[in-house]
Amino acid sequence: DAGVIQSPRHEVTEMGQEVTLRCKPISGHNSLFWYRQTMMRGLELLIYFNNNVPIDDSGMPEDRFSAKMPNASFSTLKIQPSEPRDSAVYFCASSFHSDNEQFFGPGTRLTVL
Amino acid sequence: KQEVTQIPAALSVPEGENLVLNCSFTDSAIYNLQWFRQDPGKGLTSLLLIQSSQREQTSGRLNASLDKSSGRSTLYIAASQPGDSATYLCAVSPQTGANNLFFGTGTRLTVIP
Repeated sequence: DAGVIQSPRHEVTEMGQEVTLRCKPISGHNSLFWYRQTMMRGLELLIYFNNNVPIDDSGMPEDRFSAKMPNASFSTLKIQPSEPRDSAVYFCASSFHSDNEQFFGPGTRLTVL
Repeated sequence: KQEVTQIPAALSVPEGENLVLNCSFTDSAIYNLQWFRQDPGKGLTSLLLIQSSQREQTSGRLNASLDKSSGRSTLYIAASQPGDSATYLCAVSPQTGANNLFFGTGTRLTVIP
C-alpha cells in the first residue's frame, strides 16, 4: 500500500486566495483525520470523518475552513479566503475505526503571504 | 479538555546510551495511547500503540509502558543510534471511543555519534 497520500506537498499563495488540500487515505480505512501543525500550538485536530461522515469539526478554526469527503478514497480541506496565520503544515491521517492506530500522510506545507 | 505534556522538550545523548522519554496526560479516561516519531520536514510515523487495558508494548529496541491511573507513559529506547534522532510525540485517544487524538508537544532527541 502507498500509505496516505497528500497533495500538494508545498503550497505558496497570497492572502485572500482559495486553497484546496487533498488527501487519499489508505484503502480500507474508514476513518480520516485532518490535523494542523504549527510551532506555537503543536498538532491540533481540525476535523475527522467516519465512513465519509463528519463526526467532530470542533477544531475547525473558522468558517473560512471547510472539509469534505465525497467518497471513501478522497477528502479535501479548503480555506477560503486564506490568511497569513493559516500558514502551517496540514496533515491527513487514516485508520480502521476499530483498530484506531492512525497512519499519517507526509503533510502539505502551506505558506500564505 | 485533555492536556498532554512531554518532558523533556529536548534531549541529547551519546550513541549507545539507553534513554527514557516521558508523557503525562490529565484525564486518565483514555481509549489508547500512541507514540509517534517525526523527522524534520516529514510526517508522523507510528511506533507503538498501547490499548488502555495493556501495560506495555515492545517493538525492537523500543518499549512503551502505560500507567493509566497515574496518567503517565514512558518510551524506552535501548542502545540509541544516530538514526534515532527525531522528535517523539505521544498522543491519547479519549475513552468515548472517538478516535481523535490529543498530542503532546514532543521531545526532540539528538543521538550524538
